[in-house]
Amino acid sequence: DAGVTQSPTHLIKTRGQQVTLRCSPISGHKSVSWYQQVLGQGPQFIFQYYEKEERGRGNFPDRFSARQFPNYSSELNVNALLLGDSALYLCASSLELAGGRFTGELFFGEGSRLTVL
Amino acid sequence: GENVEQHPSTLSVQEGDSAVIKCTYSDSASNYFPWYKQELGKRPQLIIDIRSNVGEKKDQRIAVTLNKTAKHFSLHITETQPEDSAVYFCAATLIMNSGYSTLTFGKGTMLLVSP
Repeated sequence: DAGVTQSPTHLIKTRGQQVTLRCSPISGHKSVSWYQQVLGQGPQFIFQYYEKEERGRGNFPDRFSARQFPNYSSELNVNALLLGDSALYLCASSLELAGGRFTGELFFGEGSRLTVL
Repeated sequence: GENVEQHPSTLSVQEGDSAVIKCTYSDSASNYFPWYKQELGKRPQLIIDIRSNVGEKKDQRIAVTLNKTAKHFSLHITETQPEDSAVYFCAATLIMNSGYSTLTFGKGTMLLVSP
């Protein structure tokens, strides 16, 4: 089975531009989370979506938005890019157990490395 | 919110030695503590996890211990090998029945195992 897939893998943008990152979860996983990993730091939570609804949002400005589609894939949008948005953006999916509970384990994609010049 | 501190930031050992990485967390409600390994340019991958109802868990050369009273947990790697070289992240979260949980990660430990 394919793991979590993300696109694009690398991209370069200039300040003020907008970017859209895409993620396809593991088949059967209905929850998708987005994390930002700045070089030398641990991943930082941005959003979680489950069944197309936003379940949680981290401490990020409104320039960051996301959505989940009926096939459980997801997009992360970042508007008005700043130099500080340069990072590896990780998408992760997780499996729901019977009764709506999650195991806790996140399955990460390889990430989209965004460079803002 | 949860805050996770991780030490040391870098750790160099000789092949065959043991390595220990320590983390503390702030939210006493957290009940799930995973460890992820991230090789250079690769995705983070879960290597072991522990839940708050267990004090220790072992998987071959890797073990994790949890002290809920002190709010700290540690990763122990025995008989280290060069392929263990990577960045290791600890994390903590409260898994709720609602299905919402978000991992708070430490800043990572770069482990270098020299042959």
